[in-house]
Amino acid sequence: KQEVTQIPAALSVPEGENLVLNCSFTDSAIYNLQWFRQDPGKGLTSLLLIQSSQREQTSGRLNASLDKSSGRSTLYIAASQPGDSATYLCAVSSNYQLIWGAGTKLIIKP
Amino acid sequence: EPEVTQTPSHQVTQMGQEVILRCVPISNHLYFYWYRQILGQKVEFLVSFYNNEISEKSEIFDDQFSVERPDGSNFTLKIRSTKLEDSAMYFCASSPRLQGTNEKLFFGSGTQLSVL
Repeated sequence: KQEVTQIPAALSVPEGENLVLNCSFTDSAIYNLQWFRQDPGKGLTSLLLIQSSQREQTSGRLNASLDKSSGRSTLYIAASQPGDSATYLCAVSSNYQLIWGAGTKLIIKP
Repeated sequence: EPEVTQTPSHQVTQMGQEVILRCVPISNHLYFYWYRQILGQKVEFLVSFYNNEISEKSEIFDDQFSVERPDGSNFTLKIRSTKLEDSAMYFCASSPRLQGTNEKLFFGSGTQLSVL
């Protein structure tokens, strides 16, 4: 059974720092891995999708990597801003459904 | 930009009552989903729907749950007899093609269901 783990559960950094969020999964048989952002009281916003055949995807200040063989993904956020404060969720696509991690709550201090 | 809309944003109901959560997926999407998130827990898959039938469902989606696409725009989740443990944020999502084919899912803002 696929399990997705995210470390750390919470992270607080000063504005301007670069940071890395981690995601690991137990079964490498995935279609893709997605990173989402969740703001309080709002929906889930897809940030990046990495196909199983890809190694990384970039969007603006965000870069996500995937090492399927080791069951790991990272989300790199460059030059963090207070507006980046949110919970970041990792989800793997398995059997046509998403299996989710518990998320990393990120706080960027001005 | 097209978006998935969900109504109501909050729903309070008494245990044992029926509730219907409503969603309007993005208009040209073909696949529809319901996920839920109990407070403090992971997001969980409930059901996927395509061509007017359920394509996949989880163990959570038992006989008290049902989904329907009553017209060309709405997609509903009905909980027949609510239990306290049904209290959660329910998210609707849609995608143009099957989720496993590397399509992003687009999520609504959710309906917070509170069962008293």
